[in-house]
Amino acid sequence: RKEVEQDPGPFNVPEGATVAFNCTYSNSASQSFFWYRQDCRKEPKLLMSVYSSGNEDGRFTAQLNRASQYISLLIRDSKLSDSATYLCVVTNNAGNMLTFGGGTRLMVKP
Amino acid sequence: DGGITQSPKYLFRKEGQNVTLSCEQNLNHDAMYWYRQDPGQGLRLIYYSQIVNDFQKGDIAEGYSVSREKKESFPLTVTSAQKNPTAFYLCASTRQGSYNEQFFGPGTRLTVL
Repeated sequence: RKEVEQDPGPFNVPEGATVAFNCTYSNSASQSFFWYRQDCRKEPKLLMSVYSSGNEDGRFTAQLNRASQYISLLIRDSKLSDSATYLCVVTNNAGNMLTFGGGTRLMVKP
Repeated sequence: DGGITQSPKYLFRKEGQNVTLSCEQNLNHDAMYWYRQDPGQGLRLIYYSQIVNDFQKGDIAEGYSVSREKKESFPLTVTSAQKNPTAFYLCASTRQGSYNEQFFGPGTRLTVL
């Protein structure tokens, strides 16, 4: 079993749609959780951290379920500029090493 | 402006040649990392260094070597022993003990012919 698993997609959605990505992780002692965004042929950049209570940043909402070892990302009112690959990232017990999922590709169409 | 630089952006080498990828940061970060990304896959850790003059193997260190003589610099050498070196190589850094984000350089795309 992979340490961090994501549906690779692609998710093809129209502008304005709501789309959700899921991620599962295997290390129950993981400390921190993140969603990174990676544009084609570019480096990953932090989109948002994921907190146990759930957190929102504009159109983006992240949720964490530690009991089920499950993380989600919800994007509302999708924009063309949201087209990218979204990487689920989990730290180790000490919180200083990252493990990346394979990424979920999103394509937002006009 | 603070950040991480990697050079070159694209690199072509013949099979059997060693090649060194540059990574420099002026963020005053203690920890630095090298990842490899293959098409359609996530990042895999090659080597990391949490302090000057010390580094540790990651998940896929075979065929690679690093050095950390200065805080700002963490070069990666891809040796001829690496069986499939063609990939996108990403360098990252973070403050020691930080639970916060890793900052990534723009990457070097290595193609071995």
